[in-house]
Amino acid sequence: GDSVTQMEGPVTLSEEAFLTINCTYTATGYPSLFWYVQYPGEGLQLLLKATKADDKGSNKGFEATYRKETTSFHLEKGSVQVSDSAVYFCALLRGGYNKLIFGAGTRLAVHP
Amino acid sequence: EAGVAQSPRYKIIEKRQSVAFWCNPISGHATLYWYQQILGQGPKLLIQFQNNGVVDDSQLPKDRFSAERLKGVDSTLKIQPAKLEDSAVYLCASSTLYREGQMREKLFFGSGTQLSVL
Repeated sequence: GDSVTQMEGPVTLSEEAFLTINCTYTATGYPSLFWYVQYPGEGLQLLLKATKADDKGSNKGFEATYRKETTSFHLEKGSVQVSDSAVYFCALLRGGYNKLIFGAGTRLAVHP
Repeated sequence: EAGVAQSPRYKIIEKRQSVAFWCNPISGHATLYWYQQILGQGPKLLIQFQNNGVVDDSQLPKDRFSAERLKGVDSTLKIQPAKLEDSAVYLCASSTLYREGQMREKLFFGSGTQLSVL
């Protein structure tokens, strides 16, 4: 069945460091891919998305490129801030359905 | 715009007791979801409603879990009787009307109800 695999956390970085959180997926067909973020005490929020191969989603300085050949959707940010500390979830959604399948999440902690 | 409201925020019960969670979706959102998020795991869909009809409940443990969405607005999720492994955060989400063949990317999530079963 469809699944999403993320790198295990926690990821601990200093402010202004470069961030990569790896995400790979298994799915038939051509799913849409998403990154959701969960800040402490808050609900899940959509961070960015990509709906087809080679699309790049971006938001708030974060980027992820849909790589069909490697079935990956890695999240990157050039310079993290303390306010980026949160749990990040990679997710997929197949065309014709409306059910999001989430990865296990990766906790990011950014220190001053 | 008001977000998805859930209550209670926290609940502690003993095993074999019953518990209910409530969700008020964003006004006008026809589709409502209940997800279960066990510590260290990603959210797992339990049930999806479109208006007041069930679209998907394939992962709902129907021997103990039930959900309803009267009048296609608010929804309640019930567990009876609870087991230790039901300890999790229960997330409610909503989105605009889903139509076959279209993609709905944006789900709006509530803050969740954290359930501890002792």
